[in-house]
Amino acid sequence: DAGVTQSPTHLIKTRGQQVTLRCSPKSGHDTVSWYQQALGQGPQFIFQYYEEEERQRGNFPDRFSGHQFPNYSSELNVNALLLGDSALYLCASSFPGGITDTQYFGPGTRLTVL
Amino acid sequence: AQKVTQAQTEISVVEKEDVTLDCVYETRDTTYYLFWYKQPPSGELVFLIRRNSFDEQNEISGRYSWNFQKSTSSFNFTITASQVVDSAVYFCALSEFDSNYQLIWGAGTKLIIKP
Repeated sequence: DAGVTQSPTHLIKTRGQQVTLRCSPKSGHDTVSWYQQALGQGPQFIFQYYEEEERQRGNFPDRFSGHQFPNYSSELNVNALLLGDSALYLCASSFPGGITDTQYFGPGTRLTVL
Repeated sequence: AQKVTQAQTEISVVEKEDVTLDCVYETRDTTYYLFWYKQPPSGELVFLIRRNSFDEQNEISGRYSWNFQKSTSSFNFTITASQVVDSAVYFCALSEFDSNYQLIWGAGTKLIIKP
């Protein structure tokens, strides 16, 4: 049973560039959430996708956008990168539909902005 | 005010010692969920346990045990006979109606198990 997968593992970008991170949910899951985790801190919720729609959003600017595909995989796009966007980006998936369901996390993508 | 407080920033013990990680939460909801996750150096958050507010029974899973006490708003995690592989950052998280059931995370406790 494949768990949550994310690509790429690491990424280095420069300020002002755009980046796309990818996530495939655990088998049988249809809800995908994205988190940003700065070094030494807990994860911060970015947004959640369900049925190809953004269902909830945290306190992140519009530079952060996402998409969910019919196969439930998801992308996180960040435009006009800032140095402060350097972080571990985590994707989590959960069971069908329920916003209270347990989230299972992928290994993350480490983004460095120079 | 912090909704999830993990007061212990870092704990260091020698292998085989027992260790307890504290978690105190704050919520006005009567229905809520509490979680513990483990984050080893590799970075992946590993789900350990989920508890709903109506189930105050303590839980034991191998060397891991959890003590949920609504009276003190605490959900503490104990590792018995710790092992080097238990070294990681441990996060406590809260999911509540007031926050649209999004996970609210504590700051994490870094646990170091010395051989």
